[in-house]
Amino acid sequence: DVKVTQSSRYLVKRTGEKVFLECVQDMDHENMFWYRQDPGLGLRLIYFSYDVKMKEKGDIPEGYSVSREKKERFSLILESASTNQTSMYLCASSPLSTGYGYTFGSGTRLTVV
Amino acid sequence: LAKTTQPISMDSYEGQEVNITCSHNNIATNDYITWYQQFPSQGPRFIIQGYKTKVTNEVASLFIPADRKSSTLSLPRVSLSDTAVYYCLVGVDDNYGQNFVFGPGTRLSVLP
Repeated sequence: DVKVTQSSRYLVKRTGEKVFLECVQDMDHENMFWYRQDPGLGLRLIYFSYDVKMKEKGDIPEGYSVSREKKERFSLILESASTNQTSMYLCASSPLSTGYGYTFGSGTRLTVV
Repeated sequence: LAKTTQPISMDSYEGQEVNITCSHNNIATNDYITWYQQFPSQGPRFIIQGYKTKVTNEVASLFIPADRKSSTLSLPRVSLSDTAVYYCLVGVDDNYGQNFVFGPGTRLSVLP
C-alpha cells in the first residue's frame, strides 16, 4: 500500500514562529500536494509539486511556502505563523496530475496560539 | 469561478442504498471523476474513480451521464461504519486554467 506519512498528528505553535510540516511518501510518486481543511470550507489546495524543486501555487498560497528537495519529501513552511493558520493540514501524493488515486496522509492538526 | 456542488448532508438507515450526487458543470474534457471517504481525524481515502458511464468496485458504484456534468456515488446496503464525509474531486476548466476542485463534501449519517 502507498503510504503518506506526516511527521506530526498534533502541533501547537506560537504566533510568529516559523513552522515546518513534513510529508514523506514511499511510492515514488511524482506529484505531491498540501491542503488545508477547515469546517465549512472543505479542502483547499495550498501548494503542489510535480517534480523535485518544482512548485506551483494552489488556491490559498499566501503565508505559506514549500520545499521539495527530494522526490519523496514535500515540506510546508509557515514563515510566521498566525492564528488564522490554525487548521488541519493534509498532504497527498499521486502518480498523475489528474486527481487519479490521490493518497492522503493522516493530517496534522496545527494550533497557533 | 469553477464550482462543484454536493448536498451538505444525508441520513440513511443500515441496509439501504445511498446515492450521493456531485454537480460539476465545467469539468475538464480529459479528466477523471474521483470520490473519497473521510472519517474524523483521518485523511480522505480513495473510493472509486471513473471517466464516463458506470464503474463498479467492491465498495461502490459510480454513475456518470454522457455530458459528465454530474456524477453519482452509489453505496449499496450501507452499514454504521459508512458514516463519514464523502468528497468528489474533478478537474475543471475555468478562467484560471485547469484546476482540480474538491466538492464541499457530503456528511452521511447511517442510523441503526
